[in-house]
Amino acid sequence: GEDVEQSLFLSVREGDSSVINCTYTDSSSTYLYWYKQEPGAGLQLLTYIFSNMDMKQDQRLTVLLNKKDKHLSLRIADTQTGDSAIYFCAESIDAGGTSYGKLTFGQGTILTVHP
Amino acid sequence: EAQVTQNPRYLITVTGKKLTVTCSQNMNHEYMSWYRQDPGLGLRQIYYSMNVEVTDKGDVPEGYKVSRKEKRNFPLILESPSPNQTSLYFCASSQTENYGYTFGSGTRLTVV
Repeated sequence: GEDVEQSLFLSVREGDSSVINCTYTDSSSTYLYWYKQEPGAGLQLLTYIFSNMDMKQDQRLTVLLNKKDKHLSLRIADTQTGDSAIYFCAESIDAGGTSYGKLTFGQGTILTVHP
Repeated sequence: EAQVTQNPRYLITVTGKKLTVTCSQNMNHEYMSWYRQDPGLGLRQIYYSMNVEVTDKGDVPEGYKVSRKEKRNFPLILESPSPNQTSLYFCASSQTENYGYTFGSGTRLTVV
């Protein structure tokens, strides 16, 4: 079955790197996503990685995918106070050739950045 | 501006009184979906739609209905709301099944 797990809290100092981790159980995942949710707002797609890739970099964001261990991470370089938010990992499942747009989300990691 | 618009943003209602949360997208997206967000549980999918008149159940469909009569609109209907449906609801849309969803700002529903 589908299950996505994240640690609930992460606290870092401004200027440090943040690493948010996620594990998933379904080996038929096609795409894996990172979303950011700021207080009182909807979810904003930060980045995504196709399951046949190992790494994707986009400015301060680096996504690493370890398919063997079913582990996904998001690294935020030079973390700023504006990065404080909830970060969700999500996967889409290949169900016989199509995922039908179904995303399974983790519980979310609350990132707190201290000045 | 490309966006997903949900209304209302906040709603307090009583048990058993039918309500509809509207969702509209202006990006001509094929896929639309409804999620509820509860503390410690992340987001759980209620219903999704792959195109007009094509909908299917997500993980937690009980107590909800949807319709997709037009491509841009995907309303969520609670025929007889109960307190366990108190939650934060998000509508989302996507052009393809794997591209990633654009989310609305959310509807905070309280059922008393």
